[in-house]
Amino acid sequence: QKEVEQDPGPLSVPEGAIVSLNCTYSNSAFQYFMWYRQYSRKGPELLMYTYSSGNKEDGRFTAQVDKSSKYISLFIRDSQPSDSATYLCAGGKGSQGNLIFGKGTKLSVKP
Amino acid sequence: EAGVVQSPRYKIIEKKQPVAFWCNPISGHNTLYWYLQNLGQGPELLIRYENEEAVDDSQLPKDRFSAERLKGVDSTLKIQPAELGDSAVYLCASSLGVSTGELFFGEGSRLTVL
Repeated sequence: QKEVEQDPGPLSVPEGAIVSLNCTYSNSAFQYFMWYRQYSRKGPELLMYTYSSGNKEDGRFTAQVDKSSKYISLFIRDSQPSDSATYLCAGGKGSQGNLIFGKGTKLSVKP
Repeated sequence: EAGVVQSPRYKIIEKKQPVAFWCNPISGHNTLYWYLQNLGQGPELLIRYENEEAVDDSQLPKDRFSAERLKGVDSTLKIQPAELGDSAVYLCASSLGVSTGELFFGEGSRLTVL
């Protein structure tokens, strides 16, 4: 079992829809969780990060972590065509280890 | 502020040939990473440097891959000889430290081995 599991999609939604992207993880030692966005033929860029269970909001994006069920979510409100990208979730153990990435979910937002 | 710079962006070689990738991290970032990203997969760590020291190279195939980070700034990743299965994107990233997970990635070097 991979440490971080993510449905690769692809996921296609109409503009303005609410998008829900999800990951599960198996390593209880993860201390923080990240969401990276990767446009085609570009490197990943950090979108959101959380260090504890609960929600964190940044504009149209909300990251949610449920450590009891080892579940990570990213919600995108009022999705835009410019949100079309691959979204990578990752878990990290701080100084004891490196980021472990999921496979990524490819999202397409249609105008 | 300049981001992480990688070169070349694209490289096509025949199998058994050598290839090298170069990375210049963000100024002041002590931690440098090389990741491998296969098509449809997330990045997988090859090696992590803290300044000049390789502190995690457990996933680096040392029979054909090598890396160096002279003077704790630029880094080079080399493959010799390349195999068909090495076709992938090689991503370089840097961070201020390893404890936060806030990595800054370059655009990657896309390798095709024929």
